[in-house]
Amino acid sequence: DAKTTQPPSMDCAEGRAANLPCNHSTISGNEYVYWYRQIHSQGPQYIIHGLKNNETNEMASLIITEDRKSSTLILPHATLRDTAVYYCAEGGKLIFGQGTELSVKP
Amino acid sequence: DSGVTQTPKHLITATGQRVTLRCSPRSGDLSVYWYQQSLDQGLQFLIHYYNGEERAKGNILERFSAQQFPDLHSELNLSSLELGDSALYFCASSAGQGRGAKNIQYFGAGTRLSVL
Repeated sequence: DAKTTQPPSMDCAEGRAANLPCNHSTISGNEYVYWYRQIHSQGPQYIIHGLKNNETNEMASLIITEDRKSSTLILPHATLRDTAVYYCAEGGKLIFGQGTELSVKP
Repeated sequence: DSGVTQTPKHLITATGQRVTLRCSPRSGDLSVYWYQQSLDQGLQFLIHYYNGEERAKGNILERFSAQQFPDLHSELNLSSLELGDSALYFCASSAGQGRGAKNIQYFGAGTRLSVL
């Protein structure tokens, strides 16, 4: 099965950009990369997805490398409410890695 | 609110018992996915149904089974429960068949199962 790897934890100052990396070196050419976040034990919440091009929506931006082996989720102005575990996942079955626990500090 | 409804929210039962978890997908979504989240394993994909048919299986034990009914709601049945089955069980739904841009999955709030 496809596998993603992420750093286990990151800190970010409130108001600054949070850049969360993900390696997905086994992704196939037609599979999308998805990003979700989970606050406490709530259900994961969809953030953004992409295939080849960079994407932006009201929540975040997604930068995908040209070889598609890695991506970066950018929260442009992190707030305390963005403290959560962030998961990148690939493919139809959403094979999740262990995620990155992002702590946004005042 | 994701639009995905899971019941019950909490379930406490004993080892050896059988339980059924229920999921109602978002209106119009044909795919339902089940995931298990335990402390030491993270989010694990269990099974995917599309319009009543099983489409993919993940790390689902033989003691577990699922089905999707004609009205598109789904049930996950867990039998011969063991202490290690204690976990959060999430259901998600999507519009598509499991690949491509239409596979954005929307998750329910989960069912917390405690096996004592």
